[in-house]
Amino acid sequence: GENVGLHLPTLSVQEGDNSIINCAYSNSASDYFIWYKQESGKGPQFIIDIRSNMDKRQGQRVTVLLNKTVKHLSLQIAATQPGDSAVYFCAENLTEKLTFGTGTRLTIIP
Amino acid sequence: KAGVTQTPRYLIKTRGQQVTLSCSPISGHRSVSWYQQTPGQGLQFLFEYFSETQRNKGNFPGRFSGRQFSNSRSEMNVSTLELGDSALYLCASSLGTRGDKEAFFGQGTRLTVV
Repeated sequence: GENVGLHLPTLSVQEGDNSIINCAYSNSASDYFIWYKQESGKGPQFIIDIRSNMDKRQGQRVTVLLNKTVKHLSLQIAATQPGDSAVYFCAENLTEKLTFGTGTRLTIIP
Repeated sequence: KAGVTQTPRYLIKTRGQQVTLSCSPISGHRSVSWYQQTPGQGLQFLFEYFSETQRNKGNFPGRFSGRQFSNSRSEMNVSTLELGDSALYLCASSLGTRGDKEAFFGQGTRLTVV
């Protein structure tokens, strides 16, 4: 995959369990955050976003939590499925420029 | 609604050559951003175009350039290719206005420099 050279944090989760992926962002002025999922050989796929005036947003099976005090973002995936296996990136947006974290590789154990 | 389309999907070039990559954004999107993804550096921002003007620029050398056309399609050019330019080049499109920042990526162009 595209990120094998980086020391990617890895999370292994049993199928059916919930997954929590964490991300620390760098700029306290960032006003918009996105979580992306990237499968091998594909571009990043938009999962969910959150603006800085919110601290929680829910989607289908996913929830994003934002803690601006400690500049921390998390992605919760409920009832993890084999198709959730991928690298997950958080990105912060400041003036239309996305800055990505290094990513977390999520592996699902059958 | 068609997604972001990048062409070509794969490209092999030799050192010293130049290359042009193309990105067609989602219909109605006026902002196109380019990113380089490598195993060693992850995803790095190259530049962003909005309404045919470069609005944002990352920290890449001048060999990397881009442009945007009136129909919002964008091209990225890399001149005097180096081995280290081998990467997955991704473009993302968005409406580009302050209130709408959702960015959607294409599949990328895999460039290999030999």
